[in-house]
Amino acid sequence: DVKVTQSSRYLVKRTGEKVFLECVQDMDHENMFWYRQDPGLGLRLIYFSYDVKMKEKGDIPEGYSVSREKKERFSLILESASTNQTSMYLCASTRSGTGVWETQYFGPGTRLLVL
Amino acid sequence: QQPVQSPQAVILREGEDAVINCSSSKALYSVHWYRQKHGEAPVFLMILLKGGEQKGHDKISASFNEKKQQSSLYLTASQLSYSGTYFCGTENRPSNTGKLIFGQGTTLQVKP
Repeated sequence: DVKVTQSSRYLVKRTGEKVFLECVQDMDHENMFWYRQDPGLGLRLIYFSYDVKMKEKGDIPEGYSVSREKKERFSLILESASTNQTSMYLCASTRSGTGVWETQYFGPGTRLLVL
Repeated sequence: QQPVQSPQAVILREGEDAVINCSSSKALYSVHWYRQKHGEAPVFLMILLKGGEQKGHDKISASFNEKKQQSSLYLTASQLSYSGTYFCGTENRPSNTGKLIFGQGTTLQVKP
């Protein structure tokens, strides 16, 4: 059974803290994605990575950075958390090379509250 | 650009039908449909390709209209288990990354 896991389901942080969200997949997928989900806005792409140490900005990268040192792990970093980053964060992964036939597998999400 | 889904929300009684639309301002190459139940991860339902036929499994099917740059998801004889938020994810051209642009979601509630 394929699996994408995220380090925390719920997280409460203070404004200005550095926050790390971890995502691990066990499917040997090349591509990994970080989204944030807000009511009425759907899933918006923050960053994605198509290989180890490779990354590309998504639609809303401001205030975030990412790290991918190993194929199975993709980390989202909030350098200095702000209240407007309170959201649900979803990680996903997909295989590369077979184009449109591949689906994205999602993790359960991390609900982050920044006070 | 984010595709637009309509309606934003729908409430049904068990056994009723629903249609969810996903419209893009750009030409579409593929449309992926996902369902997310409350508190769970989004789960893949189906993919539709440019030039492809209507797809379906069980009582959920979808179509792809290239001219209208739109896909529609049809839920027939809805069951309580169909409740959740439905997302379409779109590709405007083929890629190896699997990167999708998702719509804002349609919340479906099925009542007994």
